Amino acid sequence: GENVEQHPSTLSVQEGDSAVIKCTYSDSASNYFPWYKQELGKRPQLIIDIRSNVGEKKDQRIAVTLNKTAKHFSLHITETQPEDSAVYFCAATAGGFKTIFGAGTRLFVKA
Amino acid sequence: EAGVAQSPRYKIIEKRQSVAFWCNPISGHATLYWYQQILGQGPKLLIQFQNNGVVDDSQLPKDRFSAERLKGVDSTLKIQPAKLEDSAVYLCASSPNRDGYTFGSGTRLTVV
Repeated sequence: GENVEQHPSTLSVQEGDSAVIKCTYSDSASNYFPWYKQELGKRPQLIIDIRSNVGEKKDQRIAVTLNKTAKHFSLHITETQPEDSAVYFCAATAGGFKTIFGAGTRLFVKA
Repeated sequence: EAGVAQSPRYKIIEKRQSVAFWCNPISGHATLYWYQQILGQGPKLLIQFQNNGVVDDSQLPKDRFSAERLKGVDSTLKIQPAKLEDSAVYLCASSPNRDGYTFGSGTRLTVV
């Protein structure tokens, strides 16, 4: 079946450093790629998304890149802060249906 | 704008019992989703509604799970009978256009 692989499963960085999380997807019909942040015991919250007609999108310290040919997309967080510590999920959606989530990356930002 | 409302927040039941969860999406959102999130894993889609019609329930264990969205607004998800492996957080989400949806706070189900 279709799937989304996410790496790494755990990431530890020093405050101020950058963090990169990578995802690959298998469904070539996927055209929408959101990223969610989930703090402990809380709901996932959308932090940024990208559509297949765009290669890169940036919002302050967060950016997402998409390589449709290779079927992978990445989340980049610059100047990390302790409050960035959370679990991050990527997802891929094909035509508004069948959104598949990655397994998540637990990010630790050390002060 | 009000968020996605879910109840109850927590539920503990014994295996083989029945349980129901309720979701009220953001007003005007046509698409409603139920996800199951097992501890340490990503959310898994159980069912997706567009208004009051089902558009994807391929991963819903239909022998024990059922869901409905009457009148295209509120939705209920039922498990009957529950198994130990159903212990998870059940998240409801809604979207105006099938993208970038908003999650509710979820219902944490423990089956003992």
